[in-house]
Order: sequence, then structure tokens, then C-alpha cells
Amino acid sequence: AQKITQTQPGMFVQEKEAVTLDCTYDTSDPSYGLFWYKQPSSGEMIFLIYQGSYDQQNATEGRYSLNFQKARKSANLVISASQLGDSAMYFCAMRESNFGNEKLTFGTGTRLTIIP
Amino acid sequence: SAVISQKPSRDICQRGTSLTIQCQVDSQVTMMFWYRQQPGQSLTLIATANQGSEATYESGFVIDKFPISRPNLTFSTLTVSNMSPEDSSIYLCSVARVSGVYTEAFFGQGTRLTVV
Repeated sequence: AQKITQTQPGMFVQEKEAVTLDCTYDTSDPSYGLFWYKQPSSGEMIFLIYQGSYDQQNATEGRYSLNFQKARKSANLVISASQLGDSAMYFCAMRESNFGNEKLTFGTGTRLTIIP
Repeated sequence: SAVISQKPSRDICQRGTSLTIQCQVDSQVTMMFWYRQQPGQSLTLIATANQGSEATYESGFVIDKFPISRPNLTFSTLTVSNMSPEDSSIYLCSVARVSGVYTEAFFGQGTRLTVV
């Protein structure tokens, strides 16, 4: 069963607009963590933001914020004031416990293209 | 963040040969992981590299095909053995400083492998 779902394979957004990238997850573990990564065409994975399942506040890191709705099991990434350099693949991931081993499970990604 | 050096950054290999990928971290880390990203796909965990003991492999991955070493807390290698064109992927090393409930996980720049 798909544990992390990213329903937007691709998005085109005008420069300077805000962007919301969707991510829903499925877990029965009460303790989990949600990560967002950016992967430019160079292939590296850049850590953007983290949200823990017990965190009361939504995580923010500069222009990135995470809209965490626990009851709906969603963890959408919001990028404010988008820039051309934001064009990349974006992956949502969940840290889950597998027989005591913590590992990340990734979604299929969203390709974001910022239009000048 | 951790500085992760992964080598080689890319390689083109003949089928039937083996390639060893190195991952060097600038500081001691508790957890090291190896991922595979097939063309146009998301990331899949191959194994968790354990210091001083055998790696923990995910379903579908075996030690004979992907032997892993981790001699200390800053270094690990992944070997892709007896390669076939299906092994053409990006291979990524990832680290987390804290065991268990980690809130940051960083990636190396990846090794882009093409098997001909």
C-alpha cells in the first residue's frame, strides 16, 4: 500500500507566486516524522524541512513552511514568493519504524517549474 | 548539516563488472543508508549500513548483489556487483546523526551509474 502520496506529478507556477505541493501519508504509528526534499537536475537531494508528529506548531524554514494537518494525514509544503531556482523535483518522505529500524519512505515526487 | 562526499559522481560500466561507491562524512554519524533512484522514479532504500556488523537489507535487495561495508562512523561503501543495464540508477548515500527518531537526514550528491 502506498504510504506517501504526492498527487501532483508536475506543476507550473509563475515566478513570485506562492506554491503548495501536496503530500498525504498513511501510518498507524503514533510517532513519525515528515520530511521534504528538493532534487534539482544535478541529482543531489537537498533537505528542506521536517515536521514531527507530536509537534504542535507547523514547521517553517525561511520561504518554506509545512502545512501539517494531522487528522487529515496531510503535510503540504508551501513555498512563498517562488523563484526560478525553485524549479526542481520535490519529494515528501515519512520516517517510520520497521522492527526498530527507522527508515524513510519517499513519495513519487512533484516536478515544479517556475515560469518567469 | 553534514558534509557528505560521495565518489564517483558518475560512471559508465560494462555489464558483468562491479562498481564500489564510497561515502565519506565530515563528522561521526550514527546512521548511514544507501538508496537507489531508478530513472524517473522515487528513492528506494537498499539497506542501512551498520558499523561493525552486517548491513540491514530491505526486501528485494540482497547482500550478494549489494555488499556494504561500514568500518567506522564516517565512512561506508556500496558495491553494485555483476551489473546489468537494469542497475542503471542514481545511488545515494544518506546519514542521520541521531539513531531512532531523527529529525534531519542528509544526502550525498549521488552516483549516476550507467551500465552498458
